[in-house]
Amino acid sequence: DAGVTQSPTHLIKTRGQHVTLRCSPISGHKSVSWYQQVLGQGPQFIFQYYEKEERGRGNFPDRFSARQFPNYSSELNVNALLLGDSALYLCASSLRRNQPQHFGDGTRLSIL
Amino acid sequence: GENVEQHPSTLSVQEGDSAVIKCTYSDSASNYFPWYKQELGKRPQLIIDIRSNVGEKKDQRIAVTLNKTAKHFSLHITETQPEDSAVYFCAASRGGGGADGLTFGKGTHLIIQP
Repeated sequence: DAGVTQSPTHLIKTRGQHVTLRCSPISGHKSVSWYQQVLGQGPQFIFQYYEKEERGRGNFPDRFSARQFPNYSSELNVNALLLGDSALYLCASSLRRNQPQHFGDGTRLSIL
Repeated sequence: GENVEQHPSTLSVQEGDSAVIKCTYSDSASNYFPWYKQELGKRPQLIIDIRSNVGEKKDQRIAVTLNKTAKHFSLHITETQPEDSAVYFCAASRGGGGADGLTFGKGTHLIIQP
């Protein structure tokens, strides 16, 4: 079975632009969570979606938004990009909300 | 919110020796504690997890212990091998990474010396 897949793998943007990152969960998994990992740090929680509804939000500004589709895939959107948004963005899926999370390879976002 | 402290930041051990990584958490409501291994440029990989109704869990060379009273949990790797070299992250959450998500420590870079 395929694991969590994310696209694109790498992305370069400039300040002020908008970006959309995509995630497909493991087949059968209904919960998707997004994390930001800055170099040398542990991942930081951004959002959790379950059954297409937002179930949790971390301490991130409103420039960050997400949604989950009927097939349980998810998008993370970031508006008005700042240099500090440069990071690895990880998606994790789980069978249900309170089950172990399995991560994808991430999208490496660089802001110039 | 939850805060997870992880020590040491770097750990170097001889191949075949044991390695221990320690974490403390602040939220007494946390009840799920996973450990992830992340090799350079790769995804975090879940290697073991423990829930608060269990004090210890073992999977071959890897074990995790939990002390709820002290809010402390540890990862133990025995008979270390070169492929154990990676960054290890501990995390805590209320119920398997529920609505509050997983709160991670800053990671431990484990180096296995040949």
